Amino acid sequence: DAGVIQSPRHEVTEMGQEVTLRCKPISGHDYLFWYRQTMMRGLELLIYFNNNVPIDDSGMPEDRFSAKMPNASFSTLKIQPSEPRDSAVYFCASSPDRGRLGYTFGSGTRLTVV
Amino acid sequence: DAKTTQPNSMESNEEEPVHLPCNHSTISGTDYIHWYRQLPSQGPEYVIHGLTSNVNNRMASLAIAEDRKSSTLILHRATLRDAAVYYCILTPRSGSARQLTFGSGTQLTVLP
Repeated sequence: DAGVIQSPRHEVTEMGQEVTLRCKPISGHDYLFWYRQTMMRGLELLIYFNNNVPIDDSGMPEDRFSAKMPNASFSTLKIQPSEPRDSAVYFCASSPDRGRLGYTFGSGTRLTVV
Repeated sequence: DAKTTQPNSMESNEEEPVHLPCNHSTISGTDYIHWYRQLPSQGPEYVIHGLTSNVNNRMASLAIAEDRKSSTLILHRATLRDAAVYYCILTPRSGSARQLTFGSGTQLTVLP
């Protein structure tokens, strides 16, 4: 099992550009979570999906953020337009349930917006 | 939402046991206790979880107080690779996954 796969590992972009982060969850995991981690705010849950359907997006900071899960093996988190304050590490995680049995996290995407 | 309280930092010597405490005085009867750790430049990693009874796995042991208001993660022999931030989290048996929140955790330093 390759685990949760995120790409890219690092992304540097200019303010105003569109950024797309990608995630491949573990096969068979019905839940997918997007987190953001910063020094100031720690780990924050942005949105989570169950069976490809967004369940709770109340953590998405602004309309500039959007997430999709077109199928069980792929999800994207898009920021358009990006701003310097979006700089953070973005983690994707998957779980066979809501997390009661534990999450498996990816290695993260470190986003820097200059 | 039930919250957890952990010390900001702890130190341990290599090859000695480490006891990482967590207080969760507002835990409900159906909340699971989860522990994760985050090594530098990596995503959080699941360590162990339990409900009422003590639990053991290859990574660690989890000791849960009888009243469930506190728990302790036990690393039996700390190694340098165990240096990480350790998070104690409560996971409800039902309800929204948003209730699973990460606090600031305990930064464990292992001294050679």
